[in-house]
Amino acid sequence: DAGVIQSPRHEVTEMGQEVTLRCKPISGHNSLFWYRQTMMRGLELLIYFNNNVPIDDSGMPEDRFSAKMPNASFSTLKIQPSEPRDSAVYFCATSREDRGLVGELFFGEGSRLTVL
Amino acid sequence: AQRVTQPEKLLSVFKGAPVELKCNYSYSGSPELFWYVQYSRQRLQLLLRHISRESIKGFTADLNKGETSFHLKKPFAQEEDSAMYYCALSGMSISRLTFGEGTQLTVNP
Repeated sequence: DAGVIQSPRHEVTEMGQEVTLRCKPISGHNSLFWYRQTMMRGLELLIYFNNNVPIDDSGMPEDRFSAKMPNASFSTLKIQPSEPRDSAVYFCATSREDRGLVGELFFGEGSRLTVL
Repeated sequence: AQRVTQPEKLLSVFKGAPVELKCNYSYSGSPELFWYVQYSRQRLQLLLRHISRESIKGFTADLNKGETSFHLKKPFAQEEDSAMYYCALSGMSISRLTFGEGTQLTVNP
């Protein structure tokens, strides 16, 4: 298994542009999380899905951010319009809801976003 | 509300010295705590969890409910331990982890 796959790995864009980050979870994992990593605030949970349904989006900074999970194999995080303060590394992580694997998240390699 | 605090952003020790990475948490219920590690150019990955009471790569961590702490310890640090370490807490929702800000550990030769 290739693990959690994220794309793009790097994105440089200009303020005001739309950014779409993509995530392919590990097959069989039914929970998916989007985290944002910055030097100042560490890892912040933005939103998480269970069985493709958004469960908690309280961490989404503002209406410019949206996330979807149309099926068990794919999720997107969209920022529209993007701002320089959105510059960060965005991680997708997945887990399988199973007592034996409680709390183990499997992370993607991250998408480094730079908004100029 | 749940919160995880790692007071040290940077920690530097010499090879062979003991190392302790501090983690304090705030949670009203019964928490499950974890340490995740991110080595250079690798993915963030689980290091250990308190319910397993295991030692991984020589690291141990004990949950102290009285002090609400879950410090990570290793008696003799190695250069390959240099990495970013995150403490994480799981509360109401088992897989929903709240992470601390992270501690960058550097082990010098």
